[in-house]
Amino acid sequence: DAGVIQSPRHEVTEMGQEVTLRCKPISGHDYLFWYRQTMMRGLELLIYFNNNVPIDDSGMPEDRFSAKMPNASFSTLKIQPSEPRDSAVYFCASTPREGRQETQYFGPGTRLLVL
Amino acid sequence: SQQGEEDPQALSIQEGENATMNCSYKTSINNLQWYRQNSGRGLVHLILIRSNEREKHSGRLRVTLDTSKKSSSLLITASRAADTASYFCATAASNDYKLSFGAGTTVTVRA
Repeated sequence: DAGVIQSPRHEVTEMGQEVTLRCKPISGHDYLFWYRQTMMRGLELLIYFNNNVPIDDSGMPEDRFSAKMPNASFSTLKIQPSEPRDSAVYFCASTPREGRQETQYFGPGTRLLVL
Repeated sequence: SQQGEEDPQALSIQEGENATMNCSYKTSINNLQWYRQNSGRGLVHLILIRSNEREKHSGRLRVTLDTSKKSSSLLITASRAADTASYFCATAASNDYKLSFGAGTTVTVRA
């Protein structure tokens, strides 16, 4: 298995621009998580899905952030408009059925820099 | 919010030595997990210990859990340069479904 795939790996954009991050979970995994990692706040859970349905988005910082999972093999995290404080590494992770508290498999992350 | 807090924040050891790091948490848990993150990479799951377990081994890793003290420790024996990474504990609360990560311990193994 290729593991969790994220794209792009790096993104540099200017303040005010729309940013879309993409994630392909491991095939057969029913849960998908989006995290943000910064030096100041560590690793934060933004939102997670079960069977493509958003279950908890209480970690999404603002309305500028949105996430979708149109099918079992694809999810997006969108920031519109982006701000410099959104600069961080964004990780996607997936876990199999019965696994929302079990092992999570992380992607390589997208390093976002908003100028 | 971070439920787990690792200690120490950073650790530097010589190759071949053992490395021990601790994690404390605040609320009841279902399980506690340890992850490793190499620089610029994603997190990799190392080991999971459930609330009814006290000790678990995986290769050179040994994890203990003391639910009465709400703490866990990760021991890496006979460390190697490749063990240089940040190590995070993550807790799954009994009444919650989220995995909360601590701030991590950065381990440097000197050759």
